[in-house]
Parts: sequence; C-alpha cells; structure tokens
Amino acid sequence: KAGVTQTPRYLIKTRGQQVTLSCSPISGHRSVSWYQQTPGQGLQFLFEYFSETQRNKGNFPGRFSGRQFSNSRSEMNVSTLELGDSALYLCASSLGLANPSSYNEQFFGPGTRLTVL
Amino acid sequence: AQKVTQAQTEISVVEKEDVTLDCVYETRDTTYYLFWYKQPPSGELVFLIRRNSFDEQNEISGRYSWNFQKSTSSFNFTITASQVVDSAVYFCALSEYTTSGTYKYIFGTGTRLKVLA
Repeated sequence: KAGVTQTPRYLIKTRGQQVTLSCSPISGHRSVSWYQQTPGQGLQFLFEYFSETQRNKGNFPGRFSGRQFSNSRSEMNVSTLELGDSALYLCASSLGLANPSSYNEQFFGPGTRLTVL
Repeated sequence: AQKVTQAQTEISVVEKEDVTLDCVYETRDTTYYLFWYKQPPSGELVFLIRRNSFDEQNEISGRYSWNFQKSTSSFNFTITASQVVDSAVYFCALSEYTTSGTYKYIFGTGTRLKVLA
C-alpha cells in the first residue's frame, strides 16, 4: 500500500506570494490533517479535513486555508507569505472515524519544506 | 489546556550509552493517547509507539523501552546501547479529543539526540 505523498518536497517563494501544497493520503483514508513544523514553535496543528469538509482547526490566521477533494487528496494554501511561514509542512492521513473510545492511526508524509525569502 | 513538555532540547551521548528522553503531559481528558515519533534528517515522522491512558504497562521493543506513569503524567523513552543511527529528533505527542469526535495531536517541542561514534 502506498504511503502518504506530499508535493512538492521543496519550495522557495518570496514574501507576499502565495503557495499551494498537496497531500495524497493512503488509499481508503478519508481524513487529512496538516501540521506546521518550525524550529521555534515545534509541530503545530493547522487543520483537518474529512470528506471534503474542514472538521478541526488550529490557531492559525486566515492566510492559511485548505480544501479536500472527493478522492480525499488535500491541498493547503498560504496567501501573502511572510518570512515566518518558512517551515516544514507535514500532512497526516487516517481513516478518520469519529469514535472517542478508539483511535485511528495517523500516518505522516515526508513533508514539504517551504522557504520564504 | 493540553500540553506536552520535553524539557531536554538536545542530548549528546557516546555510542553504546543508554539515554532517556523525558516527556511530561497535561490533559483534562480521561481517555487519551500518548505517542513517540522519531524524525530523522529526511524529515518524515516515524511512528514508534502509542499508549492509551488505560494501559500503564511499560513496554520494551528491542533496544527501546517506554515508562508510562499516570501519577506523574510522564511518558519517558529509553534507548539502550545507543547507536549512531538513533541520531534524530524525537517527539512526544498527546491526543486531544475534539468536539467532532476525533483526535488531534499536541506535540512537544522535540529532543534532538546526537549519538557520537
């Protein structure tokens, strides 16, 4: 079974530009979560999509948005890039079944490293 | 609020030494999950272990062992006879139950382990 894939792996942009990152989950997984990893803040949850709907959201400004397609692939968009957006962006996929007494394992992709100049 | 603290920012050991990575967590949930992930230089998060809040049994897997103590809210990770290949950043994470009935991760800031030959 193929793992989680993220494209592109590396990206360089300048301040003020916008960027779109892509994540393809494991086949059969309907949930995709996005995380931002920076040296100062560590790994922080951005949002989760399930069946094309945003289900959970972290504390990030509206410049960060996402969407999910009917095939569960997800994209994350960052508009008006700032230097502080330079980070490794990780996505994780899971079955996403809502059940407090069980847990759906999350599988992480290799990440997209975004550099903002 | 949910929180994970990894007080050790960086640890250096000489090969074959034992090393323990500390993790302390805070949560109001009665059902929760704790995790350890390894992040090698390639960037991908590699799953090591998951523990639920009702299972305080310690676990040993090869050179790895985990000590979960609810009384002190700690979930420490020990590598016995460390090897250079163990060099990586290690993250402890806690699940946070969301209103949508699923979980999201709260990560610690990570501990960078350097194993010197």
